[in-house]
Amino acid sequence: DQQVKQNSPSLSVQEGRISILNCDYTNSMFDYFLWYKKYPAEGPTFLISISSIKDKNEDGRFTVFLNKSAKHLSLHIVPSQPGDSAVYFCAASDFGSGNTGKLIFGQGTTLQVKP
Amino acid sequence: DTAVSQTPKYLVTQMGNDKSIKCEQNLGHDTMYWYKQDSKKFLKIMFSYNNKELIINETVPNRFSPKSPDKAHLNLHINSLELGDSAVYFCASSRNSYEQYFGPGTRLTVT
Repeated sequence: DQQVKQNSPSLSVQEGRISILNCDYTNSMFDYFLWYKKYPAEGPTFLISISSIKDKNEDGRFTVFLNKSAKHLSLHIVPSQPGDSAVYFCAASDFGSGNTGKLIFGQGTTLQVKP
Repeated sequence: DTAVSQTPKYLVTQMGNDKSIKCEQNLGHDTMYWYKQDSKKFLKIMFSYNNKELIINETVPNRFSPKSPDKAHLNLHINSLELGDSAVYFCASSRNSYEQYFGPGTRLTVT
């Protein structure tokens, strides 16, 4: 019963191009979504988030789009840089239900940005 | 300064042993968490403490017992280790539950 799914295990893009990482979810109660980035031998690092009342949130080169009707979100990285090469995790939670911080993670997508 | 630290980083032990993993955060956060990343790379929450009070307790074998001596520390004690306990364990903390800050992880290998 995987409520958050990242169906692409890996993605390879050229430096300077756009990277698009996708995430699907099944629980319509989720109201907050986050993206984490993880380098080898390190813990996940918070990257960007979006509330379900919005459909877009932008922070520098990173933009997250949320399509609630499709239960889909995506992370766009423009332009992609070699230092962006990492595993990206999508996570979701239902804070509006009184959830006290339980995040449900996807299985991650490994992004490789080639110079 | 490391925000969320875990010790040890690597832990190799035999089946049946008891071991502990320590976690400390210097961010002043009220909530701390333990996650397990299994061989399939899924990160799953195990426990959460808020101001030393247990608030999340997922379906985890009772061989796993978290202990929070104060709100800056959340340790994980595991009794009678089994092969299936081999995983990477991450500690995390947050102020408002939305954005959680993770430690570097502890790779546990049970032989």
